[in-house]
Amino acid sequence: SQTIHQWPATLVQPVGSPLSLECTVEGTSNPNLYWYRQAAGRGLQLLFYSVGIGQISSEVPQNLSASRPQDRQFILSSKKLLLSDSGFYLCAWSVRDEQFFGPGTRLTVL
Amino acid sequence: QKEVEQNSGPLSVPEGAIASLNCTYSDRVSQSFFWYRQYSGKSPELIMSIYSNGDKEDGRFTAQLNKASQYVSLLIRDSQPSDSATYLCAVVENRDDKIIFGKGTRLHILP
Repeated sequence: SQTIHQWPATLVQPVGSPLSLECTVEGTSNPNLYWYRQAAGRGLQLLFYSVGIGQISSEVPQNLSASRPQDRQFILSSKKLLLSDSGFYLCAWSVRDEQFFGPGTRLTVL
Repeated sequence: QKEVEQNSGPLSVPEGAIASLNCTYSDRVSQSFFWYRQYSGKSPELIMSIYSNGDKEDGRFTAQLNKASQYVSLLIRDSQPSDSATYLCAVVENRDDKIIFGKGTRLHILP
């Protein structure tokens, strides 16, 4: 069966610090991968999606970036965090059109 | 712009009653429809998928789809306190496989 991992589970970072969140998927090959952010009391915002290694599409202009160095690894990064980057970051994978979410990383920027 | 609309709630339903959650979508070509459940502080969990007009039942859950009216609903029979959560409706266009989420309806089951 397929499993998706995200780490860390929680993170507190100062404004201006860098960020690296990692997501890995097990039990499937060549999945589509997604990064979402969910701010407090708000809906899911699609940040990036990837259909293959090195293929990244950005949905929203921002100070975040994403990379897919391996088939089942998806990384979300920032060089300098802003207060507005706080939120619940979710990685998801899909085969065909059903999406499945990882456990998420709760990021607080102070 | 493609939209998925849901009443934000909270929707309060007595334990044992039927909870009815509704969702409308703007894009007529949408082909795939999903309901996710999200407990507070947790990630969304896929609970139902529906692709054809009509009803699809899975245990206490029934998804209903009406493409002509661009309407999808989720019924939860014999509601339990553990059903208290936010329910997200999601829609996919097959052309580009992007999934569009609604903002969710908060459901509160009253013991």
